[in-house]
Amino acid sequence: EAGVVQSPRYKIIEKKQPVAFWCNPISGHNTLYWYRQNLGQGPELLIRYENEEAVDDSQLPKDRFSAERLKGVDSTLKIQPAELGDSAVYLCASSSRGMNTEAFFGQGTRLTVV
Amino acid sequence: GNSVTQMEGPVTLSEEAFLTINCTYTATGYPSLFWYVQYPGEGLQLLLKATKADDKGSNKGFEATYRKETTSFHLEKGSVQVSDSAVYFCALRSGTSGSRLTFGEGTQLTVNP
Repeated sequence: EAGVVQSPRYKIIEKKQPVAFWCNPISGHNTLYWYRQNLGQGPELLIRYENEEAVDDSQLPKDRFSAERLKGVDSTLKIQPAELGDSAVYLCASSSRGMNTEAFFGQGTRLTVV
Repeated sequence: GNSVTQMEGPVTLSEEAFLTINCTYTATGYPSLFWYVQYPGEGLQLLLKATKADDKGSNKGFEATYRKETTSFHLEKGSVQVSDSAVYFCALRSGTSGSRLTFGEGTQLTVNP
C-alpha cells in the first residue's frame, strides 16, 4: 500500500514568490494534516481536515497561507507571498478517524526561501 | 493548552548502552501518547503508543509506560544499536484538542559502534 505522497521534495524560491505543496494521503483516510517543522524543532500543526472540511486551522497564518482539500482526498498548501521565515519542512500526514489511530507522515517538502 | 517537553539533546551513546529519553506532558483530559522516530532522510514513523494510564507501548526493543501520576512517557531501550540513530519525538493527542497531535521538540540520538 502506498504511503502518504508529497511533492515536491525540495523547493527553493525567492522571497515574495508564491509556492505550493501537494499531498496525496493514504486511501481511505478521512483526516489530513499539514504540519510545519522548523530546524531542530518538532512539527507544529498548521491545519487539519476531516474529509474536505478544515476543522482546525487556528495556527494557519491566513494572511499568506491557504489550503484546500477538494473532494476530500488530495490537498494543496500554498504560501503567497513567501517570506524568509517560511523556510522549513512542510509535512503532510493522514489518519483514519479516532484519537488512538496512527498518523502516517509523508517525507515532507523542504522549502528554502532566499 | 497541551504541551510536550522532551529532554534536551543531542544524546550520544555507544552501541549496547542503555537509553532513556525523558518526556513529560501537560494536557487536559486523558490524552493518548506516542513516540515517533525520524531516521535520516525519511519521514516520521510511529514507534509506539499508549492510550491509557499504566499502558506500556513497545516496539523494536523500545518501551514506554504511560504514567499519569507523573505525566510522563519516557522512552527506554536496554541495548541500542547503530541503526537506532535518529531523531525521536514524543507526542500526545487529546480529545479536547480535536485529535490534534502535539509534538515535543525532538531528541537527536547518535549511537557509535
